[in-house]
Amino acid sequence: KAGVTQTPRYLIKTRGQQVTLSCSPISGHRSVSWYQQTPGQGLQFLFEYFSETQRNKGNFPGRFSGRQFSNSRSEMNVSTLELGDSALYLCASRNGQGRQETQYFGPGTRLLVL
Amino acid sequence: KQEVTQIPAALSVPEGENLVLNCSFTDSAIYNLQWFRQDPGKGLTSLLLIQSSQREQTSGRLNASLDKSSGRSTLYIAASQPGDSATYLCAVSGSSNTGKLIFGQGTTLQVKP
Repeated sequence: KAGVTQTPRYLIKTRGQQVTLSCSPISGHRSVSWYQQTPGQGLQFLFEYFSETQRNKGNFPGRFSGRQFSNSRSEMNVSTLELGDSALYLCASRNGQGRQETQYFGPGTRLLVL
Repeated sequence: KQEVTQIPAALSVPEGENLVLNCSFTDSAIYNLQWFRQDPGKGLTSLLLIQSSQREQTSGRLNASLDKSSGRSTLYIAASQPGDSATYLCAVSGSSNTGKLIFGQGTTLQVKP
């Protein structure tokens, strides 16, 4: 089975712009979660989507949004970028229906905001 | 609010040593605990998942234990190798059927040949 893929892998944007990141989960997985990783804050949960519905949301401002498509692929959007949004963005997938499931992470998208 | 702490933040050992990484969490009402490995600039690889009802899990040279009542987990690595050099992260899940994990800051391990 192919693993979780994320595109693009690297991105440079300037303050005020917006960005869209994409995540393709493992085939058959219906749950996709997004995380932000920074040196200062570590790994922080952004949100989770399951069957095209947001199921959980972390403590991030409304500039961070996401969606999931019928094929389980997910996108994350950040509007009005700030310098502090520079981070590694990771997505993770799992089946979403089991009770004790591990999560499979993608390689991440590294975003640099100038 | 659940908080996860990992000690030490960094560790350097000679090849062949057995070592223990520690993880503590403030709220014992967890659903499961997972240990991950992260290589520089890469995503996370799951190592072990321990259900809240379990005391330990083993995979090869790795053994993870869980003491829910005291809010602690340890990851034991036997006969360490240079290829084990990475950052090790523990994460807890607070409820069933959720993708939300709360992570510790990680322990960066260097195994010297």
